[in-house]
Amino acid sequence: LAKTTQPISMDSYEGQEVNITCSHNNIATNDYITWYQQFPSQGPRFIIQGYKTKVTNEVASLFIPADRKSSTLSLPRVSLSDTAVYYCLVGLNYGGSQGNLIFGKGTKLSVKP
Amino acid sequence: EAGVAQSPRYKIIEKRQSVAFWCNPISGHATLYWYQQILGQGPKLLIQFQNNGVVDDSQLPKDRFSAERLKGVDSTLKIQPAKLEDSAVYLCASSSPREYRDEQFFGPGTRLTVL
Repeated sequence: LAKTTQPISMDSYEGQEVNITCSHNNIATNDYITWYQQFPSQGPRFIIQGYKTKVTNEVASLFIPADRKSSTLSLPRVSLSDTAVYYCLVGLNYGGSQGNLIFGKGTKLSVKP
Repeated sequence: EAGVAQSPRYKIIEKRQSVAFWCNPISGHATLYWYQQILGQGPKLLIQFQNNGVVDDSQLPKDRFSAERLKGVDSTLKIQPAKLEDSAVYLCASSSPREYRDEQFFGPGTRLTVL
């Protein structure tokens, strides 16, 4: 099973770029990398998903090196509302959902004014 | 588009009692997941359905937990009998995988307290 390792917590200030790295040494060939955001008392919310190189959407970028053993979620110009727990998830197979879905322990991001 | 619905939102029971949670996924989503999230931890997958078939239930404590998804739409998760360590938030999610993207949509969860 592809397990993930993330920093437990990170602090940042408004307007800064935040990079959260996730390690997943046992990632399988067909696994995708997905990041979720979770606010207190809410279910996780999808942020971004990728397989290799770089993916960018309206809220974040995801950088995946060639060996795919790690990935970095980049949040540009964070605001106070980005304070949340961020989870790296590995285990979704291309083309459909398979089993072995494991959330890591997450990274608690605190954004300060 | 309506989101994933769950009920109840909160439940308090005593140990050894039974409890059931209900989930209605987003219309048309074939995949449904039940997660257990203990305070301070990430969600742990209990069971995954594809339509009404089970894809993964390897982490479901089958001696006390059961889940079903009749007709491939809504689902029920049951705990019988409950233990103190079952106190957690139970999250339901659904997805409709398509090429290059498999996003799970989560419901608000049911917070269970076992006394």
